[in-house]
This record gives sequence, structure tokens and C-alpha cells, in this order.
Amino acid sequence: QMQLQQSGPGLVKPSETLSLTCTVSVGSFSSQTYYWGWIRQPPGRGLEWIGNISYSGSTYYNPSLKSRVTMSVDTSKNQLSLKMSSVTVADTAVYYCARGVAVRSGGAFSDFWGHGTMVTVSS
Amino acid sequence: DIQMTQSPSSLSASVGDRVTITCRASQSISSYLNWYQQKPGKAPKLLIYGASNLQSGVPARFSGSGSGTGFTLTISSLQPEDFANYHCQQSHSLPFTFGQGTKLEI
Repeated sequence: QMQLQQSGPGLVKPSETLSLTCTVSVGSFSSQTYYWGWIRQPPGRGLEWIGNISYSGSTYYNPSLKSRVTMSVDTSKNQLSLKMSSVTVADTAVYYCARGVAVRSGGAFSDFWGHGTMVTVSS
Repeated sequence: DIQMTQSPSSLSASVGDRVTITCRASQSISSYLNWYQQKPGKAPKLLIYGASNLQSGVPARFSGSGSGTGFTLTISSLQPEDFANYHCQQSHSLPFTFGQGTKLEI
């Protein structure tokens, strides 16, 4: 059974960089069938797509966050990483990694999700 | 970005009820619409993809329909474990945007 294990600090100071890692337990990481996404959810609010990355490192970032976000993959460790710079209190949220499946006929969906990491931005 | 609007924002129902949640897109998204269930403190769980395709392992009481800009998620007979938050998501264009969620309460 696929598992996505997230790690990273739960508290980040304003203006600093948020760093999270997601380790994929079962070996579909380097398959061209899948991509890997990061999604966040501020307390009591809806879900926001941060961006996504393929196993080869091709990225898409939400334009609203693009200037502050960097995603990367380490295929040797089955890991993906998210860095978000210059954080503010508005970045306080639960952050999820998720496996994405692109459907041949179009569209996509996220079928496996990490457990989520609550990141609080506070001094 | 494509805006997704769910209605209602919250819904009270009873075990055994038939429930329908609606999701509207700000432009046509064909059938590229997913539904997720989320329980408090948990990650979202995929229920329906491509508007009407039931994800493996999801009970058959869940169904989805629609295309273009209007979609529905129907639960035919509510079970106690179905009381949760439900989110729609479009996968027509990046960024893949979500609705604001519908809270299904007892």
C-alpha cells in the first residue's frame, strides 16, 4: 500500500523559509504515469493547489505563489521537497503532498495523500 | 484560474437520507471534475474522478454526474461514516482549483 510520509518543522518564523519533505514508501516514484503535488489548507478554509512536479523534475507552480516556491525531487531517496520563502502568517496551513495520476483521455486526480503537516508561521 | 463554487456550504441530514451536493465551474471543464471526502484532522480521500468514475474501494452509494460547468455528488443512503467535508476539484487547467467545501452534518 502506497504511503507518503511527510516531515518538516511545524513552526516557521515570518520572513523565513518553509521546508517540507515527502517520502514515498512504495516504488512508483519514478514512473512516468504519475506526478507529485503539494496542496495546502489554511485553518477552516478550502484546499489550494501549490504546484506539482514530475519524477524528472519538471515543475508547475501556482502563479499566486510562484515567486516564493521551489519544488524538487530526489529519485534516489523517493523524496519530493517543497520550499516556500518569505513566509507570512497567511502561509499558516496544513500542507499535503499527494500522488497525481494523469488520465490519458484528459484530466487528472490525486489518489494518495500524505498525512499533512500543520505549519504555523509565527515569531 | 477556474473558480469552483459548491453548494450548499453546509448541509444537515440523517442516516438513510439521499443527499446531493452541487459544484459549478466558472467555465467549461468537460468532465474533468473530482470529488474528495475529508474528515477532521485527515487528508482528503478521492471518491470520484472524471465526474462519474468511482475510485476503487469507494462504496457504490456514492455517485457523480455532470459535464461542462455543472456537477453533482450524490450519496444514495447516508451512513454514519459519511458525515464529513466534501470538496470538488477541477483538473481541466492548472492550477487545479477546489471548491470551498461542503460540510455534511448530522
